[in-house]
Amino acid sequence: GAVVSQHPSRVICKSGTSVKIECRSLDFQATTMFWYRQFPKQSLMLMATSNEGSKATYEQGVEKDKFLINHASLTLSTLTVTSAHPEDSSFYICSASRVSGDYNEQFFGPGTRLTVL
Amino acid sequence: QKEVEQNSGPLSVPEGAIASLNCTYSDRVSQSFFWYRQYSGKSPELIMSIYSNGDKEDGRFTAQLNKASQYVSLLIRDSQPSDSATYLCAVVGDMDSNYQLIWGAGTKLIIKP
Repeated sequence: GAVVSQHPSRVICKSGTSVKIECRSLDFQATTMFWYRQFPKQSLMLMATSNEGSKATYEQGVEKDKFLINHASLTLSTLTVTSAHPEDSSFYICSASRVSGDYNEQFFGPGTRLTVL
Repeated sequence: QKEVEQNSGPLSVPEGAIASLNCTYSDRVSQSFFWYRQYSGKSPELIMSIYSNGDKEDGRFTAQLNKASQYVSLLIRDSQPSDSATYLCAVVGDMDSNYQLIWGAGTKLIIKP
């Protein structure tokens, strides 16, 4: 159990276009999902925390109007990179939080590699 | 500010030996601790969760938690070349933070054949 999928796995787009990334928890309901970004040879950077049915909470320095997050159901969150530019090229990874009793574990999707030309 | 500290490595261990990875954390109220493995170019994979003081074993992996010393470790027995990866220690923040993970920078482990 605890499988998280992401789609697409890889996307190449032109500068100025928008890209939508989907994150799904396949076998559990996730009240909370997280979006991370990771540049080559660097640590994971949390971008935002997404709760089902409410607005996402963005980390300092992350533009909420550029990175639109929607968490419409307990199994689906989407991240839209609007007006993408080459500096947005990165590895975007979502995680979903599974609560079991008093415990809470995060499971990661396989990631989406975005290249903006 | 809550912090999680790990030695960045690389830690080089011969095949078949025990690899020992260490992590310290600053927040005394933390209750949940995790080890993730991340291969280059891939997303992190949860390999161990530990919530109580003491040892927790799963196959070749043993997590050890000492809340008094604010210390959590991961032992990998009979290390294999396929264990070569970056190991990330993470601690859950409190409920007010939506259970965000506070991450260490990771330790790069290299298993030499």
